[in-house]
Amino acid sequence: GQQVMQIPQYQHVQEGEDFTTYCNSSTTLSNIQWYKQRPGGHPVFLIQLVKSGEVKKQKRLTFQFGEAKKNSSLHITATQTTDVGTYFCAGPEDSSYKLIFGSGTRLLVRP
Amino acid sequence: DAGITQSPRHKVTETGTPVTLRCHQTENHRYMYWYRQDPGHGLRLIHYSYGVKDTDKGEVSDGYSVSRSKTEDFLLTLESATSSQTSVYFCALGGDSGNTIYFGEGSWLTVV
Repeated sequence: GQQVMQIPQYQHVQEGEDFTTYCNSSTTLSNIQWYKQRPGGHPVFLIQLVKSGEVKKQKRLTFQFGEAKKNSSLHITATQTTDVGTYFCAGPEDSSYKLIFGSGTRLLVRP
Repeated sequence: DAGITQSPRHKVTETGTPVTLRCHQTENHRYMYWYRQDPGHGLRLIHYSYGVKDTDKGEVSDGYSVSRSKTEDFLLTLESATSSQTSVYFCALGGDSGNTIYFGEGSWLTVV
C-alpha cells in the first residue's frame, strides 16, 4: 500500500535557527497536506498543496510540493518557541478520501 | 474547532473487556475517521466512514469495529481490549473538498 515517509524524526534547534522537514510518498499524490500538533493536543490543519511545483507561504512557514507530486517540504525560518510541536504531512490514498499520514517530525526549540 | 466531540476523553479498562469510543459531530460532514496515535508511528487510520452505514477498513483495523447509524455519530468498538490497544484515539471529519480533515481532541485509552 501507499507509504508516506517523513524525515527527520526529531529536530532540536536553537531559537532563531531555521528548520526543514521532508515528506516522501511511494506514489504520486493528488494533493498533500500539512498538520501541526502541539504537545498534548490534536493535529491542526495548516495547508494543502495541489499543483506540481507549488509553493505556499504562511508568515515564516514555506511549503513546497515537488514537481513529480511525490515529495514535499515544510521550511520554518527563524524558529520561535511557539513553533514547538510535531509536524505531519499527509496524502490521500489513490485519490480516495483515506488520508495517509507520515510519521511526523517533532520540533523542539531551545529558547 | 469543527464541532467534533469525543467521549470518553480518558478511560482505563481491563484486558478482555469491550470498549466503545464515541465521536459526535455537529457539522454534517459525510466523512468520518478514526485514527490511533502511538510514539514512532504517527497517525494510523483504523476505520473510516463515507456515509451512514458505509464504512471501510484502514491500515490497522484488526481488533476494531465501527458503526455509523446516523450522520453525526461514529462509534469505534474494541470487542476485547488488549494492552496493544493502549493508545490515543482521534476522530476526524472531512473529505468533502480537498480531503482536508479536522481532528477531535482525542481519547486516551489505557488497557491494563
